[in-house]
Amino acid sequence: GIQVEQSPPDLILQEGANSTLRCNFSDSVNNLQWFHQNPWGQLINLFYIPSGTKQNGRLSATTVATERYSLLYISSSQTTDSGVYFCAVVGSGTYKYIFGTGTRLKVLA
Amino acid sequence: DTGVSQDPRHKITKRGQNVTFRCDPISEHNRLYWYRQTLGQGPEFLTYFQNEAQLEKSRLLSDRFSAERPKGSFSTLEIQRTEQGDSAMYLCASSLYGELFFGEGSRLTVL
Repeated sequence: GIQVEQSPPDLILQEGANSTLRCNFSDSVNNLQWFHQNPWGQLINLFYIPSGTKQNGRLSATTVATERYSLLYISSSQTTDSGVYFCAVVGSGTYKYIFGTGTRLKVLA
Repeated sequence: DTGVSQDPRHKITKRGQNVTFRCDPISEHNRLYWYRQTLGQGPEFLTYFQNEAQLEKSRLLSDRFSAERPKGSFSTLEIQRTEQGDSAMYLCASSLYGELFFGEGSRLTVL
C-alpha cells in the first residue's frame, strides 16, 4: 500500500518563527489533507489539497502531486500552533485515507 | 450542522468485556470511517462504509471487531472480549465529496 512519510518528526520553535513541514508519499494520490491534532486529541481540518496551493491566514499548503509531496507552511508561529500535524492521503482505487506519522510541533513563548 | 458526534467519549472496561461505540456522521455524508489511534502514533484505518455497505476493512482488524451502519446513517463499532492492547482512541470520520471530518473520538481503557 501507499506509504506516507512526514518530516521533521519533531520541531521546536520560538514564537514568531516560520516553519515548513513536509509530507512525502510513495504513489499517486487522489486526495490529500493536512490536520492539526489538538491536545485533547481532536483532528482539526487545515487543508484539503490534492494539488495546487491554498492559504488560510498564517497557514498555507502546496501539493505537487507529480513529484509526490506536499508542504505545510506556518508563518509567525504562536503557542496555540503547538500539537501534532498529520498529512493523510488517498491512493488510487480506494477511498481510505492513510496517515503519516506526524510532526510534533512545540512553540515556545 | 452539528459535526461528527461520538459516544461515549470515555470508556473504562475490564479485560474480557464487550464494548460498543456509536458515531453519528454529518448529515447527508455518505461515507463513514473508523480509525484507531494509540499514543504517539498516527490514526490507523480500520474500516469504512459507503452508505450502508462496508466497502473496506483493514486486515489488522481481528474477528473481535465488528462495525455496522444499518441504515446508512449512524454507525456502531463493537469490540468483543476486550484485551489490554485494545486500549486506544477510536476515531470516527465522515465525508461527502472527499474531505474528511473527524469527531472528538472515544477513548477506551481496558484494565
